[in-house]
Amino acid sequence: DIQMTQSPSSLSASVGDRVTITCRASQSISSYLNWYQQKPGKAPKLLIYAASSLQSGVPSRFSGSGSGTDFTLTISSLQPEDLATYYCQQSHSIPRTFGLGTKLEIK
Amino acid sequence: EVQLVESGGDLVQPGGSLRLSCAASGFTFSNYEMNWVRQAPGKGLDWLSYINSDGSTTYYADSVKGRFTISRDNAKNSLYLQMNSLSAEDTAIYYCARDERAGGQRLPFLDYWGQGSLVTVSS
Repeated sequence: DIQMTQSPSSLSASVGDRVTITCRASQSISSYLNWYQQKPGKAPKLLIYAASSLQSGVPSRFSGSGSGTDFTLTISSLQPEDLATYYCQQSHSIPRTFGLGTKLEIK
Repeated sequence: EVQLVESGGDLVQPGGSLRLSCAASGFTFSNYEMNWVRQAPGKGLDWLSYINSDGSTTYYADSVKGRFTISRDNAKNSLYLQMNSLSAEDTAIYYCARDERAGGQRLPFLDYWGQGSLVTVSS
């Protein structure tokens, strides 16, 4: 199985900050990498697919990059509504494993 | 508007069985592959199972293989998860999610999720 390692596991940042979350795959997954946002008590929501494509309706402050084994999710200017846990997921092979998540708190 | 609505979650005893349903609307269900994902209390997301559009191909996580069965009824726009031999470790919110593909390589991702259905396994 492909293991997905996210870092950090949690972080606290201020409104307006640039925030970066990283995700590393245990083997190359090309661009088969997706990012999801889960707000407290809610279902996950797709943010980024295929490593760098922004899902329709998602604010442009969110962006994704990377290929192979190393990926990043960047929030260019943190907003209060970005309080959530963020998960990466590989869709290269079965099982389609998720990272353990990054809990983002607003200072 | 795409909607996925799970139902069937309940309190069940260890060793018991349960069937979850996911009712789909707002899109042509028979054209899409589907998945089940779960989340134990306070934990992360755990991909469980996949089914292709006509139900002829299924995949499972090792943790549920042989105990859970994914199926679908395209005439009823419904996805199912039959869960047998349940244990406390299966306690979780269960989500159904639609599988979409992007680009020439058809890279998969989960673009719509239901609100989840809670399964509690306890005596």
